[in-house]
Amino acid sequence: TQLLEQSPQFLSIQEGENLTVYCNSSSVFSSLQWYRQEPGEGPVLLVTVVTGGEVKKLKRLTFQFGDARKDSSLHITAAQPGDTGLYLCAGRAGMDSNYQLIWGAGTKLIIKP
Amino acid sequence: EPEVTQTPSHQVTQMGQEVILRCVPISNHLYFYWYRQILGQKVEFLVSFYNNEISEKSEIFDDQFSVERPDGSNFTLKIRSTKLEDSAMYFCASSEGKSYGYTFGSGTRLTVV
Repeated sequence: TQLLEQSPQFLSIQEGENLTVYCNSSSVFSSLQWYRQEPGEGPVLLVTVVTGGEVKKLKRLTFQFGDARKDSSLHITAAQPGDTGLYLCAGRAGMDSNYQLIWGAGTKLIIKP
Repeated sequence: EPEVTQTPSHQVTQMGQEVILRCVPISNHLYFYWYRQILGQKVEFLVSFYNNEISEKSEIFDDQFSVERPDGSNFTLKIRSTKLEDSAMYFCASSEGKSYGYTFGSGTRLTVV
């Protein structure tokens, strides 16, 4: 069974601090997506990374896909209360697009003003 | 911005009753999905639908569940003879293609009593 492990499970920091959350697996993924979910809402897609070593930036959020396509990280610079939410990673297993998404359990992030 | 619409937002039903959860995916998307999330737990894949048929389903998606695309816009999930453990948020999602990110609806909170 392919698994995506996210760490930390929970993170609470002050506004203005930087943070990194991780999404790790022993399996190779053809692509990986990051979502943010707020309570009572559906996940919202932030980014899709496809190429090993790829780095994508979305304002203060920087996403990196590991060279071996087994892991990914999300770095937030100068976190703001609006960044609060559950961050989920989801990977498409294998080396083609025929496989279903594998979901991590998420990192619950709270940014205190 | 195009969005996935789900109705109702909240459904309360008695154990043993049938429920139909409705979704209107984004009009030019080709792939449709149902996911479930029990409170505080992981997002769980139920089923994917493409070209008017189920393309993949999980172990959760047993004979109790069925999906339909009765017309060109709606995508429904039917749960026959609901059980207490079916209580969860049910999310519909759609995507342009298999490798694309998903757009999720806001979910239907199903409560079985």
